[in-house]
Parts: sequence; structure tokens; C-alpha cells
Amino acid sequence: GAGVSQSPSNKVTEKGKDVELRCDPISGHTALYWYRQSLGQGLEFLIYFQGNSAPDKSGLPSDRFSAERTGGSVSTLTIQRTQQEDSAVYLCASSFLPIHDRVYTGELFFGEGSRLTVL
Amino acid sequence: TQLLEQSPQFLSIQEGENLTVYCNSSSVFSSLQWYRQEPGEGPVLLVTVVTGGEVKKLKRLTFQFGDARKDSSLHITAAQPGDTGLYLCAGINNAGNMLTFGGGTRLMVKP
Repeated sequence: GAGVSQSPSNKVTEKGKDVELRCDPISGHTALYWYRQSLGQGLEFLIYFQGNSAPDKSGLPSDRFSAERTGGSVSTLTIQRTQQEDSAVYLCASSFLPIHDRVYTGELFFGEGSRLTVL
Repeated sequence: TQLLEQSPQFLSIQEGENLTVYCNSSSVFSSLQWYRQEPGEGPVLLVTVVTGGEVKKLKRLTFQFGDARKDSSLHITAAQPGDTGLYLCAGINNAGNMLTFGGGTRLMVKP
């Protein structure tokens, strides 16, 4: 497809289990972002990948969260030993231009998100 | 950490009414964007403002960037039910390495 694809769309897991969320960005987009959105709230930045540079992990809430981006394309967000407070919608976005290349006038293209529920 | 505060958090109005949503910060941003999000979908970009004092219009929507580039507003004229959604502002800092989102304004327009 032409847009950002995320899977699974819904994930229900038990507390303490590990989960993996996948993001397939728009082809050719060099930048990829993960955000977290609690019910009806704004977006909380998690991590940012730009090309082959080291990712900006400053938004990851704990060491239980990690993410990787293979081959500059698909990204996986992993949450280990899930807790109930991890329940949220995890949104992935991609962009053609990195933010810090110049004044940002580009556009983030978002996927539909992965809704995670931790029981 | 730069913070963006949006107000009001919730707004329920009748079709045809006008409304203004505000996005405020104590920090200066190099540019600012407004997105709209509908249930079950990701946010979609509405506009980007770059210059202090800039005003952009998108049909019935008018966006303004504050002179000091710390705040922005979104004004909707003659709101329609199709305007219902979550409106998010997002600021890009001067270092150009962080896109910070506000908490959002949830708008409901009743027919």
C-alpha cells in the first residue's frame, strides 16, 4: 500500500508478557517515529530514526521499551514485561525529510496505530 | 522538555457556530503544525506555519502563528459535523530535532 502500515491493529496481552509492534513506513521515507497516545490524549514521543544515524531514544519511558529499524525500512517496537500502564495506542509515522535538516515544513504520515491492552 | 498546552480540552458546539482553539507554550518554535485525528486513524496534517505572525486559511479554517512563535490558534467558521475530531498542534524546536505535540482539543459539532 501507499501509506504507513502498522500491525497488529489490536493486541491484548497479559501483564508480564512481551509484545512486538511492527511499522512499515512509506517507501523512500528516511525518517521514522514512534509515538504513544493514551485514550483521547495527545501524542507522547518515544523514539526517532533517521537514516543510518543513531536513533533518538530520549522519549522511551523505561528500559523495558526498545525499538529497531532494519535496513532503513521496517521498524519494530518491543515492550518487555508489559504493565497495565503500557496500555495505549502506539502510532508510527514516517517522513521524507528529517526535522533537523532545515526548518521543518514537511509532513508526518501516520499509520492507524496499534492498540495495546494489557490485562 | 518543551510543553504545548491546548485549550479548551473539549468543545461541543452546534452546527454553524464559530470556535477558536489555542495552542500555547513558553518556548519558541521554529515552525508549528496542526493535525486532525479521527477515531481509529492516525493524525493528518492540516497546515504548517513558519513565520511569526503568519496567517493561513484552509477553507473555513484560519490558522495563526504568534508573533513570538510561541503560540498558535485555529479558528473555524460555521462549524460542520464533518469538523468533528481531535485537533493537535505540534511544535518543532529551534534545534530542529524534536516535534512536540500538545494534548489536543476534542471537538464535537452537533447537527
